[in-house]
Amino acid sequence: EIVLTQSPTTMAASPGEKVTLTCRASSSVSYMHWYQQRSGTSPKLWIYETSKLASGVPNRFSGSGSGTSYSLTINSMETEDAATYYCQQGSSYPLTFGSGTKLEIK
Amino acid sequence: EVKLLESGGGLVQPGGSMRLSCAASGFTFTDFYMYWIRQPAGKAPEWLGFIRNKANGYTTEYNPSVKGRFTISRDNTQNMLYLQMNTLRAEDTATYYCARSWALDYWGQGVMVTVSS
Repeated sequence: EIVLTQSPTTMAASPGEKVTLTCRASSSVSYMHWYQQRSGTSPKLWIYETSKLASGVPNRFSGSGSGTSYSLTINSMETEDAATYYCQQGSSYPLTFGSGTKLEIK
Repeated sequence: EVKLLESGGGLVQPGGSMRLSCAASGFTFTDFYMYWIRQPAGKAPEWLGFIRNKANGYTTEYNPSVKGRFTISRDNTQNMLYLQMNTLRAEDTATYYCARSWALDYWGQGVMVTVSS
């Protein structure tokens, strides 16, 4: 099973600040998906295939990475970006999720 | 508009069984792989399994953590997805979601399952 380790576990950012969340895989994967989950709601696809923004996702978000290291970046933090973000690999079974990064607004 | 609506959750005793349903609409159901994912309160999602689309023969894959206890099926005439859960344990307590496609591009609102005596 591929274990995904996300860091940091929790962080707070000020409006306008650049934010980078990381996801490291225990073995190489071909791509990474990212999901945003606000409190009390279902996860939403946010970035797929490492770098493609899902429909409706603001272009201040971007994704990058390869092999065992992936990241999600917010160019300029906004209040509405406060949420938990999970990475997920689909390269091998079982599909696995990271433990999440909770992003708060300062 | 794509919609997924789960139903069938609730309280069940350890060792019991439960079947969850997911009603799909707004897309050609037979074209898509369909997934079940669960999420214990305050924890990360866990993939349970999926059922492939028509082109791939509706075959299934499961997480080893539930293989042999959980079964995924679909009724393509009714656009329904099912999760049959047997021999339930306390650690199966979670919110259960159905989702569409390999990138999990749409999720239902989730249904709570509590396993407790």
